Amino acid sequence: KNEVEQSPQNLTAQEGEFITINCSYSVGISALHWLQQHPGGGIVSLFMLSSGKKKHGRLIATINIQEKHSSLHITASHPRDSAVYICAVNSGNTPLVFGKGTRLSVIA
Amino acid sequence: ETGVTQTPRHLVMGMTNKKSLKCEQHLGHNAMYWYKQSAKKPLELMFVYSLEERVENNSVPSRFSPECPNSSHLFLHLHTLQPEDSALYLCASSQGPNAGELFFGEGSRLTVL
Repeated sequence: KNEVEQSPQNLTAQEGEFITINCSYSVGISALHWLQQHPGGGIVSLFMLSSGKKKHGRLIATINIQEKHSSLHITASHPRDSAVYICAVNSGNTPLVFGKGTRLSVIA
Repeated sequence: ETGVTQTPRHLVMGMTNKKSLKCEQHLGHNAMYWYKQSAKKPLELMFVYSLEERVENNSVPSRFSPECPNSSHLFLHLHTLQPEDSALYLCASSQGPNAGELFFGEGSRLTVL
């Protein structure tokens, strides 16, 4: 079974800072997902990627298949980015395995 | 608007009650899921349905009983729950089982007294 580790567990940043959240996994995958969960509970899918890099607005996700590692970057962070960011992976048709999440607080 | 709607958003029940959680998706997806999220633990998969058939059941206690009457609706029937079952229950859907992007509902926050 894949093990998914995220770091850091908690992160506090000043508005405008560049933020990086890391995710490592133990077994080869078919896809890696980055998800965002706001305090209300709902979860939004940010990215699904299997190689390279994806960008959406101020968010960038990268993945290094050889190193079994992915990063989520947030440029020009804003208080509305405060949320829990969750990494999840699957291999073939197996169910997603989730990390414990990184709690981000961006202070104005 | 996520396309996946869950009701109720909050539920408080006693251990002898019977209640149900409802999930509806308007995305034309073929797979639907129930997840449990407890404090400080990763999301736990409970059930996966593909085209109304259960394809995954992660050793969930029988006091949780899923029902998928069609590909757009998913229920989680609850009976004789325990206080440790208090958690956020999240419904999700995707194009196919364990494949593609997941779309989540807002969750149902359950408290068992």
